[in-house]
Amino acid sequence: DGGITQSPKYLFRKEGQNVTLSCEQNLNHDAMYWYRQDPGQGLRLIYYSQIVNDFQKGDIAEGYSVSREKKESFPLTVTSAQKNPTAFYLCASQPPGGTEAFFGQGTRLTVV
Amino acid sequence: KQEVTQIPAALSVPEGENLVLNCSFTDSAIYNLQWFRQDPGKGLTSLLLIQSSQREQTSGRLNASLDKSSGRSTLYIAASQPGDSATYLCAVGRAGTALIFGKGTTLSVSS
Repeated sequence: DGGITQSPKYLFRKEGQNVTLSCEQNLNHDAMYWYRQDPGQGLRLIYYSQIVNDFQKGDIAEGYSVSREKKESFPLTVTSAQKNPTAFYLCASQPPGGTEAFFGQGTRLTVV
Repeated sequence: KQEVTQIPAALSVPEGENLVLNCSFTDSAIYNLQWFRQDPGKGLTSLLLIQSSQREQTSGRLNASLDKSSGRSTLYIAASQPGDSATYLCAVGRAGTALIFGKGTTLSVSS
Protein backbone atom coordinates (compact mmCIF):
# COMPACT_ATOMS: atom_id res chain seq x y z
CA ASP A 1 0.00 0.00 0.00
CA GLY A 2 1.99 2.96 -1.29
CA GLY A 3 1.76 6.40 0.16
CA ILE A 4 3.05 8.98 2.61
CA THR A 5 2.82 8.37 6.34
CA GLN A 6 3.05 11.18 8.85
CA SER A 7 3.30 10.52 12.56
CA PRO A 8 2.13 11.26 15.08
CA LYS A 9 -1.30 12.59 14.11
CA TYR A 10 -1.39 14.82 17.21
CA LEU A 11 1.62 16.19 19.08
CA PHE A 12 1.88 18.40 22.11
CA ARG A 13 4.95 20.48 22.86
CA LYS A 14 5.91 22.19 26.05
CA GLU A 15 7.54 25.60 25.97
CA GLY A 16 11.26 25.37 25.20
CA GLN A 17 11.06 21.81 23.92
CA ASN A 18 12.18 20.46 20.56
CA VAL A 19 9.88 17.99 18.82
CA THR A 20 10.31 15.93 15.66
CA LEU A 21 7.60 15.15 13.14
CA SER A 22 8.03 12.04 11.05
CA CYS A 23 7.37 11.72 7.32
CA GLU A 24 7.96 8.46 5.47
CA GLN A 25 7.12 7.61 1.85
CA ASN A 26 7.31 4.37 -0.10
CA LEU A 27 6.54 5.90 -3.48
CA ASN A 28 10.21 6.07 -4.50
CA HIS A 29 9.86 9.83 -4.99
CA ASP A 30 12.96 11.98 -5.06
CA ALA A 31 11.43 15.24 -3.86
CA MET A 32 9.88 15.78 -0.44
CA TYR A 33 8.38 18.88 1.15
CA TRP A 34 7.19 20.25 4.47
CA TYR A 35 4.38 22.79 4.63
CA ARG A 36 2.71 24.58 7.49
CA GLN A 37 -1.01 25.43 7.47
CA ASP A 38 -2.68 27.91 9.80
CA PRO A 39 -6.46 28.45 10.04
CA GLY A 40 -7.79 30.29 7.01
CA GLN A 41 -4.39 30.26 5.38
CA GLY A 42 -2.93 28.43 2.46
CA LEU A 43 0.09 26.19 2.76
CA ARG A 44 3.42 27.84 3.44
CA LEU A 45 6.65 26.07 2.54
CA ILE A 46 9.08 25.32 5.38
CA TYR A 47 11.75 23.14 3.74
CA TYR A 48 12.11 20.98 0.67
CA SER A 49 14.52 18.35 -0.57
CA GLN A 50 15.07 17.32 -4.17
CA ILE A 51 17.57 14.52 -3.44
CA VAL A 52 19.08 12.65 -0.53
CA ASN A 53 21.52 14.65 1.61
CA ASP A 54 20.35 17.95 0.15
CA PHE A 55 17.60 20.35 1.21
CA GLN A 56 16.65 24.00 0.82
CA LYS A 57 14.88 26.53 3.02
CA GLY A 58 11.40 27.59 2.12
CA ASP A 59 9.61 30.81 2.99
CA ILE A 60 9.30 30.17 6.75
CA ALA A 61 12.33 28.03 7.71
CA GLU A 62 13.28 29.95 10.85
CA GLY A 63 12.88 27.78 13.95
CA TYR A 64 12.75 24.54 11.98
CA SER A 65 15.35 21.99 10.87
CA VAL A 66 15.28 18.92 8.62
CA SER A 67 17.44 16.04 7.48
CA ARG A 68 17.34 13.80 4.42
CA GLU A 69 19.57 10.84 5.10
CA LYS A 70 17.33 8.36 3.30
CA LYS A 71 15.18 8.75 0.22
CA GLU A 72 12.15 7.48 2.12
CA SER A 73 12.38 9.77 5.13
CA PHE A 74 12.26 13.54 5.67
CA PRO A 75 11.80 14.35 9.39
CA LEU A 76 11.05 17.88 10.55
CA THR A 77 12.25 19.19 13.91
CA VAL A 78 10.40 22.12 15.44
CA THR A 79 12.93 23.80 17.70
CA SER A 80 12.42 26.01 20.72
CA ALA A 81 13.37 28.94 18.49
CA GLN A 82 10.03 28.64 16.71
CA LYS A 83 7.90 30.99 18.79
CA ASN A 84 4.51 30.13 17.36
CA PRO A 85 4.61 26.46 16.42
CA THR A 86 0.93 25.62 16.90
CA ALA A 87 -0.24 24.64 13.41
CA PHE A 88 -1.09 21.78 11.08
CA TYR A 89 2.00 20.35 9.37
CA LEU A 90 1.81 18.60 6.02
CA CYS A 91 4.44 16.52 4.27
CA ALA A 92 4.41 15.86 0.53
CA SER A 93 6.43 14.00 -2.06
CA GLN A 94 6.74 14.26 -5.82
CA PRO A 95 8.37 12.13 -8.51
CA PRO A 96 11.02 13.48 -10.88
CA GLY A 97 9.78 15.78 -13.60
CA GLY A 98 7.50 17.74 -11.30
CA THR A 99 4.41 15.68 -11.87
CA GLU A 100 1.65 14.95 -9.40
CA ALA A 101 2.43 15.67 -5.75
CA PHE A 102 1.03 13.52 -2.95
CA PHE A 103 0.39 14.50 0.64
CA GLY A 104 0.33 12.78 4.00
CA GLN A 105 -2.55 13.12 6.46
CA GLY A 106 -0.81 15.76 8.53
CA THR A 107 0.35 16.29 12.10
CA ARG A 108 -1.38 18.77 14.35
CA LEU A 109 1.10 20.34 16.75
CA THR A 110 -0.10 22.20 19.82
CA VAL A 111 1.97 24.10 22.37
CA VAL A 112 0.84 23.46 25.95
CA LYS B 1 7.64 36.19 -6.78
CA GLN B 2 4.82 33.87 -7.75
CA GLU B 3 1.50 34.59 -6.03
CA VAL B 4 -1.60 32.42 -6.26
CA THR B 5 -5.06 33.80 -5.56
CA GLN B 6 -8.31 31.90 -5.23
CA ILE B 7 -11.72 33.49 -5.54
CA PRO B 8 -14.14 33.24 -3.85
CA ALA B 9 -12.80 32.40 -0.40
CA ALA B 10 -16.09 30.68 0.47
CA LEU B 11 -19.06 29.48 -1.52
CA SER B 12 -22.43 28.02 -0.51
CA VAL B 13 -24.68 26.36 -3.06
CA PRO B 14 -27.71 24.04 -3.04
CA GLU B 15 -27.26 20.47 -4.14
CA GLY B 16 -27.36 19.94 -7.88
CA GLU B 17 -25.85 23.26 -8.92
CA ASN B 18 -22.93 23.50 -11.31
CA LEU B 19 -20.16 25.73 -9.97
CA VAL B 20 -16.82 27.23 -10.88
CA LEU B 21 -13.85 27.87 -8.61
CA ASN B 22 -11.20 30.30 -9.76
CA CYS B 23 -7.45 30.35 -9.40
CA SER B 24 -5.07 33.01 -10.72
CA PHE B 25 -1.30 33.23 -10.65
CA THR B 26 1.08 36.09 -11.35
CA ASP B 27 3.94 34.34 -13.17
CA SER B 28 2.93 32.38 -16.27
CA ALA B 29 6.22 30.43 -16.34
CA ILE B 30 4.74 27.41 -14.61
CA TYR B 31 5.42 23.72 -15.11
CA ASN B 32 2.00 22.50 -14.04
CA LEU B 33 -1.04 23.33 -11.96
CA GLN B 34 -2.67 20.98 -9.51
CA TRP B 35 -6.06 21.10 -7.81
CA PHE B 36 -6.48 19.52 -4.38
CA ARG B 37 -9.33 18.82 -2.01
CA GLN B 38 -8.93 19.10 1.77
CA ASP B 39 -11.48 17.86 4.30
CA PRO B 40 -11.39 19.38 7.82
CA GLY B 41 -8.38 18.17 9.78
CA LYS B 42 -7.13 16.02 6.93
CA GLY B 43 -4.35 16.05 4.40
CA LEU B 44 -4.68 17.05 0.75
CA THR B 45 -6.12 14.77 -1.90
CA SER B 46 -5.04 15.40 -5.48
CA LEU B 47 -7.97 15.95 -7.84
CA LEU B 48 -6.47 17.01 -11.15
CA LEU B 49 -3.05 17.84 -12.55
CA ILE B 50 -2.71 20.00 -15.66
CA GLN B 51 0.68 20.18 -17.35
CA SER B 52 1.67 23.55 -18.81
CA SER B 53 1.18 22.25 -22.36
CA GLN B 54 -2.39 21.13 -21.64
CA ARG B 55 -5.58 23.17 -21.68
CA GLU B 56 -7.81 21.00 -19.51
CA GLN B 57 -8.22 17.79 -17.57
CA THR B 58 -11.38 15.92 -16.61
CA SER B 59 -12.16 13.41 -13.90
CA GLY B 60 -15.76 12.40 -13.40
CA ARG B 61 -17.80 15.51 -12.52
CA LEU B 62 -14.67 17.65 -12.29
CA ASN B 63 -13.11 19.63 -15.12
CA ALA B 64 -10.09 21.86 -14.72
CA SER B 65 -8.91 24.31 -17.35
CA LEU B 66 -5.67 26.21 -17.68
CA ASP B 67 -4.95 29.45 -19.54
CA LYS B 68 -1.27 29.95 -18.87
CA SER B 69 -0.95 33.17 -20.83
CA SER B 70 -3.59 34.93 -18.75
CA GLY B 71 -2.51 33.24 -15.51
CA ARG B 72 -5.84 31.58 -14.79
CA SER B 73 -7.30 28.19 -14.01
CA THR B 74 -10.84 27.15 -13.23
CA LEU B 75 -12.24 24.07 -11.54
CA TYR B 76 -15.73 23.22 -12.74
CA ILE B 77 -17.85 20.93 -10.56
CA ALA B 78 -20.97 19.57 -12.21
CA ALA B 79 -24.13 18.59 -10.34
CA SER B 80 -22.72 19.36 -6.89
CA GLN B 81 -23.42 17.01 -3.98
CA PRO B 82 -23.17 17.47 -0.19
CA GLY B 83 -20.14 15.16 -0.28
CA ASP B 84 -18.33 17.78 -2.35
CA SER B 85 -18.24 20.07 0.69
CA ALA B 86 -14.57 20.71 1.43
CA THR B 87 -11.81 23.23 0.85
CA TYR B 88 -10.36 23.27 -2.65
CA LEU B 89 -6.79 24.40 -3.14
CA CYS B 90 -4.89 25.14 -6.31
CA ALA B 91 -1.12 25.06 -6.54
CA VAL B 92 1.34 25.96 -9.27
CA GLY B 93 4.63 24.22 -9.82
CA ARG B 94 7.92 25.00 -11.48
CA ALA B 95 10.61 22.43 -12.17
CA GLY B 96 13.02 22.02 -9.27
CA THR B 97 10.96 23.98 -6.76
CA ALA B 98 8.04 23.36 -4.49
CA LEU B 99 4.37 23.93 -5.24
CA ILE B 100 3.01 27.37 -4.38
CA PHE B 101 -0.52 27.35 -3.01
CA GLY B 102 -3.49 29.67 -2.94
CA LYS B 103 -5.48 30.06 0.28
CA GLY B 104 -8.31 27.91 -0.98
CA THR B 105 -12.05 28.10 -1.55
CA THR B 106 -14.27 26.54 1.11
CA LEU B 107 -17.31 24.99 -0.53
CA SER B 108 -20.50 24.08 1.26
CA VAL B 109 -23.19 22.16 -0.62
CA SER B 110 -26.54 21.92 1.13
CA SER B 111 -29.07 19.15 0.57
